[in-house]
Amino acid sequence: AQSVAQPEDQVNVAEGNPLTVKCTYSVSGNPYLFWYVQYPNRGLQFLLKYITGDNLVKGSYGFEAEFNKSQTSFHLKKPSALVSDSALYFCAVRDGGSQGNLIFGKGTKLSVKP
Amino acid sequence: GAGVSQSPSNKVTEKGKDVELRCDPISGHTALYWYRQRLGQGLEFLIYFQGNSAPDKSGLPSDRFSAERTGESVSTLTIQRTQQEDSAVYLCASSLGLANTGELFFGEGSRLTVL
Repeated sequence: AQSVAQPEDQVNVAEGNPLTVKCTYSVSGNPYLFWYVQYPNRGLQFLLKYITGDNLVKGSYGFEAEFNKSQTSFHLKKPSALVSDSALYFCAVRDGGSQGNLIFGKGTKLSVKP
Repeated sequence: GAGVSQSPSNKVTEKGKDVELRCDPISGHTALYWYRQRLGQGLEFLIYFQGNSAPDKSGLPSDRFSAERTGESVSTLTIQRTQQEDSAVYLCASSLGLANTGELFFGEGSRLTVL
């Protein structure tokens, strides 16, 4: 069975500093990995995904994520945080060998202070 | 349509009543998903459709929950005899189903409050 862990409930960062939101996963086949962001009272918005190829993937709003197979991780990063990045971030995984559904982590609240 | 549309956006009901939540996916998206998000919590998978069939119903929490999809388009999630623990935001998403590499596109959700 596939699963996703986001070990931090909340991450606090000062504006302008780099940010990292952690995610680890477990699947039996090849992982298809995704990051989504949820702003207050809104649906989820897609940020980026890793399917195959380059381990470093770049997405919307200056975010990037690095796929690390040996550590089964897919941490979300941004070199310089903005106050407007404050939101709830979800990591998700799908087993690439199946047509199954996308399993989400419990989410990490990112708070960027001026 | 341009995006995934859900209705109603807000629903307040009394315990024991039935409710229906509707999802209109993006045109041409064959896969459709329902998730539940309780206050302050992550997304809980309920059910997904590939076309009009539901290969995975494992997430439906009880037999009070059912869902259907017709015409590879609109889906309805029905909750019978609602309980207070059903209070949550119900999120619908769609994707180009045959390409399981594709991302999901989410609606803004239906917020259900059971009094």
